[in-house]
Amino acid sequence: EPEVTQTPSHQVTQMGQEVILRCVPISNHLYFYWYRQILGQKVEFLVSFYNNEISEKSEIFDDQFSVERPDGSNFTLKIRSTKLEDSAMYFCASSVSRTNYGYTFGSGTRLTVV
Amino acid sequence: AQKITQTQPGMFVQEKEAVTLDCTYDTSDPSYGLFWYKQPSSGEMIFLIYQGSYDQQNATEGRYSLNFQKARKSANLVISASQLGDSAMYFCAMREGRETSGSRLTFGEGTQLTVNP
Repeated sequence: EPEVTQTPSHQVTQMGQEVILRCVPISNHLYFYWYRQILGQKVEFLVSFYNNEISEKSEIFDDQFSVERPDGSNFTLKIRSTKLEDSAMYFCASSVSRTNYGYTFGSGTRLTVV
Repeated sequence: AQKITQTQPGMFVQEKEAVTLDCTYDTSDPSYGLFWYKQPSSGEMIFLIYQGSYDQQNATEGRYSLNFQKARKSANLVISASQLGDSAMYFCAMREGRETSGSRLTFGEGTQLTVNP
């Protein structure tokens, strides 16, 4: 079964540092997403990406966040200057192929800002 | 207003019994989809079942079934023959718009299910 791959599984970073979270979506999917889950809370949408540009973003996705699909397979989330409140699980997801509309999540990257 | 409401923060069930996890939703879009995900303590999001707003029949996937009541805007998850491995957080989520639109998912607060031996 195809899957969405995220690396790393855990990342610890110092406040103020930049982090890049990486994802490899399912190859024939057209839409890519990042979601965030602060510990003990519900999953929140950050951004969706289609046709090499952002198609939708939430109010959480401010100027410190950016996304990129640098090479046709990877999909990255960059947090420019991390804050303590950025500590969360970050999920990448992909959806919609020509043959099915499945919405698949990766296993997540647990980001801890210290 | 909340778009997805899960009113049960925690549920307990005996092994081998069935359990229903509640989910109500709010949308004015005629085309939408409803998802259930399982999140074990390890943190990953595991897709369980999907129901489209135009689907004529309730979705079933093995021991999982979705009790879809469109007029009541509810999409309850039924787990039959509970197993110890079913202990996890369960999230209901909704996608508004056509299936091909690539819309965001909106999640509920989740229900923590504990299966007792």
